[in-house]
Amino acid sequence: AQSVTQLGSHVSVSEGALVLLRCNYSSSVPPYLFWYVQYPNQGLQLLLKYTSAATLVKGINGFEAEFKKSETSFHLTKPSAHMSDAAEYFCAVSPSGGYNKLIFGAGTRLAVHP
Amino acid sequence: EPEVTQTPSHQVTQMGQEVILRCVPISNHLYFYWYRQILGQKVEFLVSFYNNEISEKSEIFDDQFSVERPDGSNFTLKIRSTKLEDSAMYFCASRSANTEAFFGQGTRLTVV
Repeated sequence: AQSVTQLGSHVSVSEGALVLLRCNYSSSVPPYLFWYVQYPNQGLQLLLKYTSAATLVKGINGFEAEFKKSETSFHLTKPSAHMSDAAEYFCAVSPSGGYNKLIFGAGTRLAVHP
Repeated sequence: EPEVTQTPSHQVTQMGQEVILRCVPISNHLYFYWYRQILGQKVEFLVSFYNNEISEKSEIFDDQFSVERPDGSNFTLKIRSTKLEDSAMYFCASRSANTEAFFGQGTRLTVV
């Protein structure tokens, strides 16, 4: 069965430090992969997506992610954290490929401190 | 920018009561979804809807749940007889044929 594992339910970084949020997936077909962000009391907003084109994907707000098939990973990074990046981040996979239903990871709450 | 709109933002209901959660998807979208997130847990798929019928549903989506697109613009989720364990944030999402899903801000359902 398809699944998504996000290592670390809570990550804390200093402002200006590298952000690294980990995501590993399992899929029996070439996956579509997504990162969504949820700010407090708001819905899910797409950060970026991988759809079998370039393996390094750039998203909004300076985030990027790299698809590594050999490691079944799709980790999210940002070179320099900003206070406004504090939110919950969800990795998701479309288990049948394409833009179908999503299987979400458990989420990682990112805290950014001064 | 077009967005998915959900109402109400928060609904409190008594156990056993029926509740209807409402969503207005983005106007040219054809695929519609409901997800839920129990507090502290992951976002879970409930149901997908296309061409006026359910295309897929999860094990969670039992006979107590139903979806409808009553008037070509709204997309509703009905829970017939709510249970305490139905308390969750419910997200509606929509998409067109070749785009990712866009999510609404969610309805927080509290069953007391």
